[in-house]
Amino acid sequence: NAGVTQTPKFQVLKTGQSMTLQCAQDMNHNSMYWYRQDPGMGLRLIYYSASEGTTDKGEVPNGYNVSRLNKREFSLRLESAAPSQTSVYFCASSSGLAGTSTDTQYFGPGTRLTVL
Amino acid sequence: DQQVKQNSPSLSVQEGRISILNCDYTNSMFDYFLWYKKYPAEGPTFLISISSIKDKNEDGRFTVFLNKSAKHLSLHIVPSQPGDSAVYFCAASALGAGGTSYGKLTFGQGTILTVHP
Repeated sequence: NAGVTQTPKFQVLKTGQSMTLQCAQDMNHNSMYWYRQDPGMGLRLIYYSASEGTTDKGEVPNGYNVSRLNKREFSLRLESAAPSQTSVYFCASSSGLAGTSTDTQYFGPGTRLTVL
Repeated sequence: DQQVKQNSPSLSVQEGRISILNCDYTNSMFDYFLWYKKYPAEGPTFLISISSIKDKNEDGRFTVFLNKSAKHLSLHIVPSQPGDSAVYFCAASALGAGGTSYGKLTFGQGTILTVHP
């Protein structure tokens, strides 16, 4: 039971290049999320998917796109990378069951992205 | 506008003593609060949570206190251990009437806790 996995662990891009960050979970969770962590800023929500087939913007969606490929996988795409997107990216998942009072999110190990 | 603030970037404590980490929030719609712990090169891991209908929640060495009127919560770790050294993030969510947050967590900036042997 791997939990939440992310690939790659590290990536260096040049300005203008594109790439896709991959995320998969094996906990049969409905909801998945992408966050970025910057120094002094905590984690900020980029996009989330409440359930398979739906995606929605978070706090900082500009410059990103997402795809909920199936229940397990949620990818984040940078179409034209910019230095401001240098960050550590975390994927998370939660059960997302309506009516539950707790909806703990489980995080992957992160992808450290540098855009030159 | 930082809706969740952890004003202490770092805290240093002796092993065996109490660690108190603080968090303030401004959004009165927040009704569910969580603490996450993060080690270097790992993702955050859930530690403890509290609903706004409570003012205290305890789990072993960890206790979270919520003061709604002051919009303040704190995490107490007693006794502190060197393995507790990590970054601690406070997070808040507005669960709403549906009872599920869809994970729109708002995080504080984090506090680096160092527990010295």
